[in-house]
Amino acid sequence: AQSVTQLGSHVSVSEGALVLLRCNYSSSVPPYLFWYVQYPNQGLQLLLKYTTGATLVKGINGFEAEFKKSETSFHLTKPSAHMSDAAEYFCAVSGGSARQLTFGSGTQLTVLP
Amino acid sequence: GAGVSQSPSNKVTEKGKDVELRCDPISGHTALYWYRQSLGQGLEFLIYFQGNSAPDKSGLPSDRFSAERTGGSVSTLTIQRTQQEDSAVYLCASSQNRGQDGELFFGEGSRLTVL
Repeated sequence: AQSVTQLGSHVSVSEGALVLLRCNYSSSVPPYLFWYVQYPNQGLQLLLKYTTGATLVKGINGFEAEFKKSETSFHLTKPSAHMSDAAEYFCAVSGGSARQLTFGSGTQLTVLP
Repeated sequence: GAGVSQSPSNKVTEKGKDVELRCDPISGHTALYWYRQSLGQGLEFLIYFQGNSAPDKSGLPSDRFSAERTGGSVSTLTIQRTQQEDSAVYLCASSQNRGQDGELFFGEGSRLTVL
């Protein structure tokens, strides 16, 4: 069984400030971890993923995330927020032969001018 | 097509009516998924297709929900005798492989409102 917990359903940051969106997971097998972004009235798109190898992964639009096995975390960061980053962000996990992703409940990011 | 296409984009129906939601995946993608997104909730897995077969339909919430896929392409999600709690956005996604690497391509969803 696997699960994902995203801490904070709403996060607000000022433009230019650090973005930190938290994700913790539970998986009985080595996980694959993902962050997806959903802009208003659009489908989800993949930001970045961790499967194996380097634990710090870089994605699109300057986002990155670090897989920390000891903390069962996969937090998403961006050094400097842009107005265009305002969206909903979903963390997801799949494990082993699981063919489905288990998603967190999402974090709505607001960027303040 | 270039992306995953879903129709209708919006559907308003009365309680007790049946609805069909359609998904046209990216050409060549063998895996197809249906998820449900309710207000304030995450994405709830409904069903997974590999080709025309559905090895995992564990997420279908009741026997009022069914889905099929034909020709390894288009999929239809049918909800019979709709209830107000069925109101949600239904998202379809496809993947080139079995999807274990998680790179799903999502459509824009079908927003269902049951009055």
